[in-house]
Amino acid sequence: AQSVTQLGSHVSVSEGALVLLRCNYSSSVPPYLFWYVQYPNQGLQLLLKYTTGATLVKGINGFEAEFKKSETSFHLTKPSAHMSDAAEYFCAVSDGMNYGGSQGNLIFGKGTKLSVKP
Amino acid sequence: NAGVMQNPRHLVRRRGQEARLRCSPMKGHSHVYWYRQLPEEGLKFMVYLQKENIIDESGMPKERFSAEFPKEGPSILRIQQVVRGDSAAYFCASSRRGSGQETQYFGPGTRLLVL
Repeated sequence: AQSVTQLGSHVSVSEGALVLLRCNYSSSVPPYLFWYVQYPNQGLQLLLKYTTGATLVKGINGFEAEFKKSETSFHLTKPSAHMSDAAEYFCAVSDGMNYGGSQGNLIFGKGTKLSVKP
Repeated sequence: NAGVMQNPRHLVRRRGQEARLRCSPMKGHSHVYWYRQLPEEGLKFMVYLQKENIIDESGMPKERFSAEFPKEGPSILRIQQVVRGDSAAYFCASSRRGSGQETQYFGPGTRLLVL
């Protein structure tokens, strides 16, 4: 069964500093991995995803993540934090079950709240 | 293009009442997923539906909860005889295909408060 662990429920950085949000997964099948962002009282917005191919994935708003199979990790980074990056970030892995060839439901980590100090 | 729509955005119910949450997927999407988010928790999968079919309801509580996605109209998540523990945010997501690598697009959620 798949699972996701996000280290650090709260991360605080200064504006302009590096953002690093950690995500480790376990999966019995090749994983599909996602990062979503949630602003207060809103739904989730996809930042980026890894399915196959290049292990360094670039997303929106300057974020990127690297799939490292040997470390079972998919950490999210951004070189320079902006005040508008303050939000909650969720890492997710897609369930590997098949339904007549289809797969789909996401398994989420507990989330990391990012604070950005001026 | 309209995104995933959910209504109501906020719902207050007293214990024992019924709650009905609606989700209209994005245009062209025929796969709908429901998730529940408890305070300080991530989202938990509840049910996956296609038009007129429940594909996977392994995350649904065995009693009081049901879901449907009719041929016409929105998907409905129904909670009968609500209890305080049902207070949570309920999110619907839709995708074009039911593939693990397909992006799911989320609605803004319905925040249910049970008094």
